[in-house]
Amino acid sequence: SQTIHQWPATLVQPVGSPLSLECTVEGTSNPNLYWYRQAAGRGLQLLFYSVGIGQISSEVPQNLSASRPQDRQFILSSKKLLLSDSGFYLCAWTYSKRAEQFFGPGTRLTVL
Amino acid sequence: KNQVEQSPQSLIILEGKNCTLQCNYTVSPFSNLRWYKQDTGRGPVSLTIMTFSENTKSNGRYTATLDADTKQSSLHITASQLSDSASYICVVSEYGGSQGNLIFGKGTKLSVKP
Repeated sequence: SQTIHQWPATLVQPVGSPLSLECTVEGTSNPNLYWYRQAAGRGLQLLFYSVGIGQISSEVPQNLSASRPQDRQFILSSKKLLLSDSGFYLCAWTYSKRAEQFFGPGTRLTVL
Repeated sequence: KNQVEQSPQSLIILEGKNCTLQCNYTVSPFSNLRWYKQDTGRGPVSLTIMTFSENTKSNGRYTATLDADTKQSSLHITASQLSDSASYICVVSEYGGSQGNLIFGKGTKLSVKP
């Protein structure tokens, strides 16, 4: 069976510090991978998606970047965090864009 | 503009009661509609996914309906349980869109009280 992992589960970082969130998927190959952010009282916002190693598409301009160094690994990064980067970050995977997405447990990021 | 609107924003019901959550969308062309359940502080979990030709789909005590003509969907929860307390998110996929063309509603927060 397939599983998706995210870490860390929670993170508190000062403004201006770097960020690295990791997502890994097990039990499947060549998945489509996604990073979402969920702010309080708002819907999920797609940040990045990837259809293969090294292939990253950005949906919104922002202070964040993503990388996919391996088939089942997706990393969300920032060089300098802003207060507005606080939120709940979710990674998801799917077989194809029409299929349902499976979400990870999420990372709660608080920037102080 | 493609949008997904959910109502109500929040709902409180007593354990054992039924409830219905609404989702209206303006996404076109339409590919499919999904309902997710999200427990507080956790990732969303898929309940149902329906294509244009499907009018209803059930998953245990959860039944989703879809009217593609009026662009409305509902999620009916039967005999609610305390564990049903969560946010329920309606998501619509645009046909032919990019990998990122899922439009998310803001969710309905359901609280089931004993």
